[in-house]
Amino acid sequence: AQSVTQPDIHITVSEGASLELRCNYSYGATPYLFWYVQSPGQGLQLLLKYFSGDTLVQGIKGFEAEFKRSQSSFNLRKPSVHWSDAAEYFCAVGHPNTGNQFYFGTGTSLTVIP
Amino acid sequence: EPEVTQTPSHQVTQMGQEVILRCVPISNHLYFYWYRQILGQKVEFLVSFYNNEISEKSEIFDDQFSVERPDGSNFTLKIRSTKLEDSAMYFCASSGGLGEKLFFGSGTQLSVL
Repeated sequence: AQSVTQPDIHITVSEGASLELRCNYSYGATPYLFWYVQSPGQGLQLLLKYFSGDTLVQGIKGFEAEFKRSQSSFNLRKPSVHWSDAAEYFCAVGHPNTGNQFYFGTGTSLTVIP
Repeated sequence: EPEVTQTPSHQVTQMGQEVILRCVPISNHLYFYWYRQILGQKVEFLVSFYNNEISEKSEIFDDQFSVERPDGSNFTLKIRSTKLEDSAMYFCASSGGLGEKLFFGSGTQLSVL
């Protein structure tokens, strides 16, 4: 069965520090992979996505993620965190061959301290 | 950037009442979705809609739920007889194609009392 695991429920980093949010998936084939961010009271905004090709993808707001097939991972990174990055981050997987569903992880809450 | 809009932003209802959550997807999109997020839990898929019919639905989407695209712009989720456990944030999303980027609305917070 398809599943997405975000092992870190909550992460706290200092402003300016680097960030890595972990995502592991279980899927029958190489899925399409996504990272979304949810600010309080707002909807989900796409940060970046991976469909195929270069395994290092760049997204908005200075985020990047790397697809590692051998580890079934798609970790999100940012070299220098800003206070405005404090939010909930969701990893998601989907694939058109298995229907329209997107499977979301449980989310990682990011706190940024000055 | 185009937006998915949802109304209302907050809805309070009594248990057993019917509610309709409204969404206006992006105009040239073809696939429409409803997700929900119970407080503190993960985002859960409810239903997808394409070509004026449901293409997939989850176990959560039982007979008390229905979706409709009554005109060329709106996409609604109806809950016929709300239960306490239906309290959640409901997100509408749309995409231009299968597996494509989902654009999410800002959600409707439903509180069932």
